[in-house]
Amino acid sequence: KNQVEQSPQSLIILEGKNCTLQCNYTVSPFSNLRWYKQDTGRGPVSLTIMTFSENTKSNGRYTATLDADTKQSSLHITASQLSDSASYICVVSWLSGAGNNRKLIWGLGTSLAVNP
Amino acid sequence: NAGVMQNPRHLVRRRGQEARLRCSPMKGHSHVYWYRQLPEEGLKFMVYLQKENIIDESGMPKERFSAEFPKEGPSILRIQQVVRGDSAAYFCASSHEQFFGPGTRLTVL
Repeated sequence: KNQVEQSPQSLIILEGKNCTLQCNYTVSPFSNLRWYKQDTGRGPVSLTIMTFSENTKSNGRYTATLDADTKQSSLHITASQLSDSASYICVVSWLSGAGNNRKLIWGLGTSLAVNP
Repeated sequence: NAGVMQNPRHLVRRRGQEARLRCSPMKGHSHVYWYRQLPEEGLKFMVYLQKENIIDESGMPKERFSAEFPKEGPSILRIQQVVRGDSAAYFCASSHEQFFGPGTRLTVL
């Protein structure tokens, strides 16, 4: 069964600290993995997209890693800011059927709170 | 994300009424995905449409829910005879790259 699991469910850190969020998946055949940030009351915003051959990708203070062998990904946030408080969602894409029907499996997200 | 428009942003309906949610994808995009997010839960896929075609509606309830994406105009998600359990945020995403709109928050009284 295709699944995406994220940990921790929630996290509280102090401003300026680093943190790492985890994502494990059992999706096959794998197409790509994305990390999204969703602020409360807003739509998700893409942070990174990685394909099978990519091990790491950065977007400012966000760095995502992907280990396709172990089917694990992480999102590292450096020097956290108050505005980083949000839900971070891992999404894995796979191709379904004979056509180009791409399916997305959404994790439940990690709720991050950055406190001053 | 800039370019994906949803309206209304907030919609209040009484039980039994109809709700119509609209989504205009980014210019030049012809693929739209609809998602529902219940309070304190993750996004759940509902339906994937191309212009004039429903590609995948495996996540959409069989009754009361329908979606369309006409040749001209926005994609519309329609919920007939709404119930309190339909209260949620409904997001649409444009193209396979999934650029999201701001969402429509439906409240059923």
